[in-house]
Amino acid sequence: QVQLQESGPGLVKPSETLSLTCSVSGGSVSGYYWTWIRQPPGKGLEWIGYALYSGDTHYNPSLKSRVSISVDRSKNQFSLTLSSVTAADTAVFYCARTTGARPFDLWGRGTLVTVSS
Amino acid sequence: DIQMTQSPSTLSASVGDRVTITCRASQSISSWLAWYQQKPGKAPKVLIYKASSLESGVPSRFSGSGSGTEFTLTISSLQPDDSATYYCQQYNSYSPLTFGGGTKVEIK
Repeated sequence: QVQLQESGPGLVKPSETLSLTCSVSGGSVSGYYWTWIRQPPGKGLEWIGYALYSGDTHYNPSLKSRVSISVDRSKNQFSLTLSSVTAADTAVFYCARTTGARPFDLWGRGTLVTVSS
Repeated sequence: DIQMTQSPSTLSASVGDRVTITCRASQSISSWLAWYQQKPGKAPKVLIYKASSLESGVPSRFSGSGSGTEFTLTISSLQPDDSATYYCQQYNSYSPLTFGGGTKVEIK
């Protein structure tokens, strides 16, 4: 059974770069859109972007200048970096997968990242 | 961006009630709509995809309908385990992909 697990620092200072990794176990990173979604405390869901196995990426225009998502085939994982963070970036970050023509059928448990000095 | 507007934002109903949640898209998304259920501290779980297709393993009391810009999620007989927040999501356009603001369902 395929599972996703997020990992990374729970606290990031303002103006620094947030980095998270999503490990894919029980399956391969090929054939899917590997996606990051965030949810500020008490608020709704925001799609950040995705990366394909091929290396192609697509980002939310509202975050495009600060975000990067990549897939590491050798480690069977994918990663998110978000630069120049502010308190408004405090959120639970989820990794998820889709085929593109399907909804997100598999999610990680989520990891809370707080931006604070 | 395609804006997704859900209503109501909260609703309170009794066990056994029929519950309907509406989602409106700011432009046509054909049937590229999904519904998710999220419980506190958990990741969302997909219930419905392509507007009306029931995801495997989801109870049959959940159903979806609509196309174009108007969609509904119906719970035919509300159960205590259905207390959660429900989100719609369009995947017609990834520029960007968008979610509704959520509907919190409470049990009276």
